[in-house]
Amino acid sequence: EIVMTQSPATLSVSPGERATLSCRASQSVGSNLAWYQQKPGQAPRLLIYGASTRATGIPASFSGSGSGTEFTLTISSLQSEDFAVYYCQQYSVWPLTFGGGTKVEIK
Amino acid sequence: QITLKESGPTLVKPTQTLTLTCTFSGFSLTTSGVAVGWIRQPPGKALEWLTLIYWDDDERYSPSLKSRLTITKDTSKNQVVLTMTNMDPVDTATYYCAHRGTMRLNVFDIWGQGTLVTVSS
Repeated sequence: EIVMTQSPATLSVSPGERATLSCRASQSVGSNLAWYQQKPGQAPRLLIYGASTRATGIPASFSGSGSGTEFTLTISSLQSEDFAVYYCQQYSVWPLTFGGGTKVEIK
Repeated sequence: QITLKESGPTLVKPTQTLTLTCTFSGFSLTTSGVAVGWIRQPPGKALEWLTLIYWDDDERYSPSLKSRLTITKDTSKNQVVLTMTNMDPVDTATYYCAHRGTMRLNVFDIWGQGTLVTVSS
C-alpha cells in the first residue's frame, strides 16, 4: 500500500498570503495524484487531479505541481473561504490512499 | 446535475452488520466508465477509501477491510449498497458515497453529504 504523507499538519496563514502544502508518496505514483478541500461539516471537494489539472469550477488561485513522489498544492492568495483541511489522494495503484490532511488556518 | 445521498442506520451495535444505501441521480451505472465508491472518515481523522464498483460489475476493495465489505449495485433503482460485517466501535465514522470522476480516473468529483454511523452497545 502506498502511504501518503502530508506536511505540515497545520499551516497558519494570513488572508491574502500564499499557502504551500506538501504531499509525499512512499513510492512513485507518476502524476496520479488528486487534491481535495474539506470544510467543517461538509464533504470533500475535488480540486486537482492529474497532479496539476484543476477540476471543473476550481479557481485559478489553486495550482498543483509535482510528479513521482513529491507534490505541492499552492493557493496563491488565501481568501476566507479557503481556510479548510486539504487532502491528497493517489490513484496510481490499488488500494486508493489518502494523506492525513493539512489544516490551513487563519493566522 | 449529479447528486448522491447516503442512507442507513445512525447507530449499530458491535458485531452487527451495517448496510448503507447510496441513492444517486444525474448519471447511470450502466454507462461505460462510470463508478461509485465509498469512503469513510472517523471523527476528526482522515479519509479512508473502502470500495468501488464499476459499470461493468468490477469491484475493488481496501485489502484491510476486504473480508468485511461487500458492494453491490441496483441499476434499476440508481442505488449502490455497502455492507460491512462485524462492526466495531473503531468503525464509527462518517460514510460517504462518491461518483468517480467523469475524466475516467479513480478520483471522486461529486460526493454525497455523508452519514455518521456510530458503533456502540
